[in-house]
Amino acid sequence: DAGVTQSPTHLIKTRGQQVTLRCSPKSGHDTVSWYQQALGQGPQFIFQYYEEEERQRGNFPDRFSGHQFPNYSSELNVNALLLGDSALYLCASSLVELTEAFFGQGTRLTVV
Amino acid sequence: ELKVEQNPLFLSMQEGKNYTIYCNYSTTSDRLYWYRQDPGKSLESLFVLLSNGAVKQEGRLMASLDTKARLSTLHITAAVHDLSATYFCAVDIWETSGSRLTFGEGTQLTVNP
Repeated sequence: DAGVTQSPTHLIKTRGQQVTLRCSPKSGHDTVSWYQQALGQGPQFIFQYYEEEERQRGNFPDRFSGHQFPNYSSELNVNALLLGDSALYLCASSLVELTEAFFGQGTRLTVV
Repeated sequence: ELKVEQNPLFLSMQEGKNYTIYCNYSTTSDRLYWYRQDPGKSLESLFVLLSNGAVKQEGRLMASLDTKARLSTLHITAAVHDLSATYFCAVDIWETSGSRLTFGEGTQLTVNP
């Protein structure tokens, strides 16, 4: 049984560009959450998707947007990249009924 | 706004010694998690604590939860070098619109021979 998979694992982008990160949830899970972890800090909640809709959103600007597809996979899009967007982006999947969240291996984004 | 505070943030200890990491949170929680993170890696789930008085143990690590005090502890017994990592606690709050994890700042543990 495949766990949560994220792609790509590493990415380098230039300031001002746009980036799309992808996440496939654990089999049987229907909810996907995204977190940003800056170096030396704890992960920060970006948003959560369920039934292809954004259910909750953390304190992130509109440059951060997402999408969930009918197969429950999800994308995180970041526009107009800033140097401060450099971080490890983690995807977590779960079932909507308040079950344990499982994390993917993360995508390391570097903005230069 | 929910706040999760861990202490200490940095912990250097000798092999064979015992120590406790503390996690305080500011509001009622549905569950509390402990994670381990190795440098450059993702989060590895260690424990999920669901109710007041819950205690779970795995190897040299034991976690407990006191929901009345809004406090969780991660106790390390007879530390070994392989336990060197950053440990996070995270609180899960369920709302009608969904749930989210709020993490502490992390405790960077170094176990010295």
